[in-house]
Amino acid sequence: EAQVTQNPRYLITVTGKKLTVTCSQNMNHEYMSWYRQDPGLGLRQIYYSMNVEVTDKGDVPEGYKVSRKEKRNFPLILESPSPNQTSLYFCASSSRSRTGVGQGANVLTFGAGSRLTVL
Amino acid sequence: SQQGEEDPQALSIQEGENATMNCSYKTSINNLQWYRQNSGRGLVHLILIRSNEREKHSGRLRVTLDTSKKSSSLLITASRAADTASYFCATKASGSRLTFGEGTQLTVNP
Repeated sequence: EAQVTQNPRYLITVTGKKLTVTCSQNMNHEYMSWYRQDPGLGLRQIYYSMNVEVTDKGDVPEGYKVSRKEKRNFPLILESPSPNQTSLYFCASSSRSRTGVGQGANVLTFGAGSRLTVL
Repeated sequence: SQQGEEDPQALSIQEGENATMNCSYKTSINNLQWYRQNSGRGLVHLILIRSNEREKHSGRLRVTLDTSKKSSSLLITASRAADTASYFCATKASGSRLTFGEGTQLTVNP
């Protein structure tokens, strides 16, 4: 089954304790992205990757890191989490658009989400 | 800044009624997409309409696009309780990222 898998689904941690949220897709998609979703703020993009070893900042990259060493994996790293990073996080992927420039214009496949609480 | 804005923010209807949600955006786009999100779950793609299309259908869904007004609407006909979810529009402009609105929360009462 084609899917994007995120882990963990739920995590409660404390301020300053480094954590990684993993994301893996089995669709051979070039494009991957991380979003956070907060009440009243909608879905905001954190980082995205157009392909292996190519990453770029989204709208709210502060406090986050990513890496894209393999095509299928795109982990999100919080080096020193703070309470304002408490949120619902989504990883998504898509095949890259063959036309035009910019990020993949094709349909995004989302993971089930990771609910993170930082105390 | 977010490109798409959905209207209304919340909509409550009875089963069997039609539900209409609107999306407005600010700049020219290549395509517009609608996604659905069940509570706390990942978004699921529903339909994509390109800038040169005016209307698209998929099952009980009908999407229209008016590029002159920079707006789109999503119509769900004969709604069911299982349609209860948040619905998001996402716009894609040339050379820029796919941008999501804040969503419309649809509640379909049995």
